[in-house]
Amino acid sequence: NAGVTQTPKFRVLKTGQSMTLLCAQDMNHEYMYWYRQDPGMGLRLIHYSVGEGTTAKGEVPDGYNVSRLKKQNFLLGLESAAPSQTSVYFCASSSTLQGYEQYFGPGTRLTVT
Amino acid sequence: EDKVVQSPLSLVVHEGDTVTLNCSYEVTNFRSLLWYKQEKKAPTFLFMLTSSGIEKKSGRLSSILDKKELFSILNITATQTGDSAVYLCAVFRMNNNAGNMLTFGGGTRLMVKP
Repeated sequence: NAGVTQTPKFRVLKTGQSMTLLCAQDMNHEYMYWYRQDPGMGLRLIHYSVGEGTTAKGEVPDGYNVSRLKKQNFLLGLESAAPSQTSVYFCASSSTLQGYEQYFGPGTRLTVT
Repeated sequence: EDKVVQSPLSLVVHEGDTVTLNCSYEVTNFRSLLWYKQEKKAPTFLFMLTSSGIEKKSGRLSSILDKKELFSILNITATQTGDSAVYLCAVFRMNNNAGNMLTFGGGTRLMVKP
């Protein structure tokens, strides 16, 4: 099992450009999450999904959109990137929402200039 | 507003020392508290604590939760250079508008010197 994978690993965007980050998991988990991590701020939840075809807003959803067309994939989109979106983005998945362990991907480092 | 606060922000110790990391929280609808270790990449799960006063232990690491005083501690004994990492505390809570969510603290950066 590969666990949770993310592509790309690194990306540099110019302000106003768009991009999509892909998260894939092979553990048949129902729940998937997108976080961003900034220095000294821990991880903040952007959006999450409780199942195929469903998404919900997290703590910091503005400027991002997500889609969960297949159970194993969770896409994070930036329609018009801004320098404030420079961050490390982590995807995670879990088998329940009961407080159990979330499995994290290796992260994507995004720089917006 | 829900919040999770970790202290200290950073810590430098020498191999063999014992360290205690702190996590305090103020959240509504608390379900459980989790500890993660983050080295260069993804956080990896250490412990999940749901009940007060019951210590969870894994090798040289142990953790305990106090639901009355709203905090948890993570102890690492006989530290090794491989323990150098950022340790993240997260609280799992029920959010009526958005389902269950994890709220993370800002982390404690631990450096263990040889």
